[in-house]
Amino acid sequence: EPEVTQTPSHQVTQMGQEVILRCVPISNHLYFYWYRQILGQKVEFLVSFYNNEISEKSEIFDDQFSVERPDGSNFTLKIRSTKLEDSAMYFCASSFTGEETQYFGPGTRLLVL
Amino acid sequence: AQSVTQLDSQVPVFEEAPVELRCNYSSSVSVYLFWYVQYPNQGLQLLLKYLSGSTLVKGINGFEAEFNKSQTSFHLRKPSVHISDTAEYFCAVSRGGDDKIIFGKGTRLHILP
Repeated sequence: EPEVTQTPSHQVTQMGQEVILRCVPISNHLYFYWYRQILGQKVEFLVSFYNNEISEKSEIFDDQFSVERPDGSNFTLKIRSTKLEDSAMYFCASSFTGEETQYFGPGTRLLVL
Repeated sequence: AQSVTQLDSQVPVFEEAPVELRCNYSSSVSVYLFWYVQYPNQGLQLLLKYLSGSTLVKGINGFEAEFNKSQTSFHLRKPSVHISDTAEYFCAVSRGGDDKIIFGKGTRLHILP
């Protein structure tokens, strides 16, 4: 069964450093998403992406964040200058156009020191 | 705007006993409803979803949920739980299509031997 994959599974970085989280969505999917889950809290929407553009973003997704689909298979989330409060599990998800089910990847656990 | 309330943050239940995890939602428009499960140190897995039609939805691992429009609820049930059901369960809503998913805070299910 096709699945969403994410790399790395864990990332430790120093405050102020840039990080790039990578996702490979399911191959025929056209809509892509990033969510995050701070430890002990609920999963929160960050951004949705379709046709090489951001469709919607939350208030969390400020200028420090950016997304990109650099090629036909990868979908990346970049945090330009990480803060301590960016420590969280980041989930990528994808869905097929017109379908309501979003399939989630296993997540990348980001720790900012 | 949509919101999801999971009143129980933790639910302890004995193995082989039945369980119900409660979920209420609020929305001014029709929504699609989901239950996701997160096993320890893993990502989010779709348990079941309600899009339309029969209000009783069956999912994986013996779980089912009932959509009640008048009570704006979507409670999750299982007639007999196993140790392997130990996980966090998230109720979620979406307006459908490519719309973001809004998650509840989650209910941690503890299975007692």
